[in-house]
Amino acid sequence: AQTVTQSQPEMSVQEAETVTLSCTYDTSESDYYLFWYKQPPSRQMILVIRQEAYKQQNATENRFSVNFQKAAKSFSLKISDSQLGDAAMYFCAYRSADDYKLSFGAGTTVTVRA
Amino acid sequence: GAGVSQSPSNKVTEKGKDVELRCDPISGHTALYWYRQSLGQGLEFLIYFQGNSAPDKSGLPSDRFSAERTGGSVSTLTIQRTQQEDSAVYLCASSMRQAGANVLTFGAGSRLTVL
Repeated sequence: AQTVTQSQPEMSVQEAETVTLSCTYDTSESDYYLFWYKQPPSRQMILVIRQEAYKQQNATENRFSVNFQKAAKSFSLKISDSQLGDAAMYFCAYRSADDYKLSFGAGTTVTVRA
Repeated sequence: GAGVSQSPSNKVTEKGKDVELRCDPISGHTALYWYRQSLGQGLEFLIYFQGNSAPDKSGLPSDRFSAERTGGSVSTLTIQRTQQEDSAVYLCASSMRQAGANVLTFGAGSRLTVL
């Protein structure tokens, strides 16, 4: 079974600053997908960014970018120019390329200070 | 519909009662998932439906939990004889395909509180 670890239960960032959330995972697979989901107080899980393991280039979506280190099995999320609306719980998730189950980390709560 | 719809949004029940939670996936999505999110924890896989195939029930925590999906669309998660440890948010998600790069779209969840 795959294990996804988020070692930071909480992170705080000043508005307009940058924050980086860490995620590591354990797998013997070579082909898989990694995701970051955002869960605001509304509970609606929203996909932030997705990375395919066979792509070396780090994925970027506007102010969100990842640092994917396949050998180290690390997948961190960087939020640049943080906004108040970024305050939420962020979950890292893993799925093998030939599987349908997503395995989630325990989440990191991000607080944005005005 | 435009998104995954779940009902009820919140449910408070007494220990020992049965509850039903409903999920209406995005039209055309053949894959449907149920996850459980306990307070301060990540998401725990419960059950998976794909088209007309037999569901993967490997994540159901006990035989008090069951789920069905009628007509390949709406799904109902039933918890019988609820216990306090069943208190959690139950999230439903759907996707177009079962594997690959497909993305799960989640509903807003049903928060269950067992007194």
